[in-house]
Amino acid sequence: QQQVKQSPQSLIVQKGGISIINCAYENTAFDYFPWYQQFPGKGPALLIAIRPDVSEKKEGRFTISFNKSAKQFSLHIMDSQPGDSATYFCAAPSAGRRALTFGSGTRLQVQP
Amino acid sequence: EAGVTQFPSHSVIEKGQTVTLRCDPISGHDNLYWYRRVMGKEIKFLLHFVKESKQDESGMPNNRFLAERTGGTYSTLKVQPAELEDSGVYFCASSQLAGVTLHFGNGTRLTVT
Repeated sequence: QQQVKQSPQSLIVQKGGISIINCAYENTAFDYFPWYQQFPGKGPALLIAIRPDVSEKKEGRFTISFNKSAKQFSLHIMDSQPGDSATYFCAAPSAGRRALTFGSGTRLQVQP
Repeated sequence: EAGVTQFPSHSVIEKGQTVTLRCDPISGHDNLYWYRRVMGKEIKFLLHFVKESKQDESGMPNNRFLAERTGGTYSTLKVQPAELEDSGVYFCASSQLAGVTLHFGNGTRLTVT
């Protein structure tokens, strides 16, 4: 069964800094790797996703980097803002199951 | 379009009682998922409906949990009888394509005392 390992568990970054969150997966049904953002009291919302016919995808200040050989992918938040403070989850398609397996989450705090 | 809605947002029950959670997916989404997050751990898969059929219920913890999706529309998740370890946040998600672009509700926070 798919496992997704996410690190760090928590992260404190100064405003304007770069936030980096890493994930590693074991097996996957197909190549699709999303990141979800969750604010307190809300459900996770899709932030950005990559289908790795490319090794990197950028949307605004958010970038996914993907290393297929290492089975790792990461989220980079450039010019981090206090409004980015949230919990971030990576996910990967579950092998043998038509669902996503999620990491344990990273609580990001961006200090003003 | 309306998002995924879940009811109730919070539920506090005593051990041994029954609780039913409801999820209304986005209209037209055939795929409906239930997930659970316990005490800051991963968002863990419980089961997957395609329309009214259970596609995969391998994540259901035990037979105290029963999920239904009447007519392929809304879904309910019943816990009977509830145990302390069932406490957590239960999320429902829906999608057009299986396993891709899941839209989550705000969850139901269940506390079993």
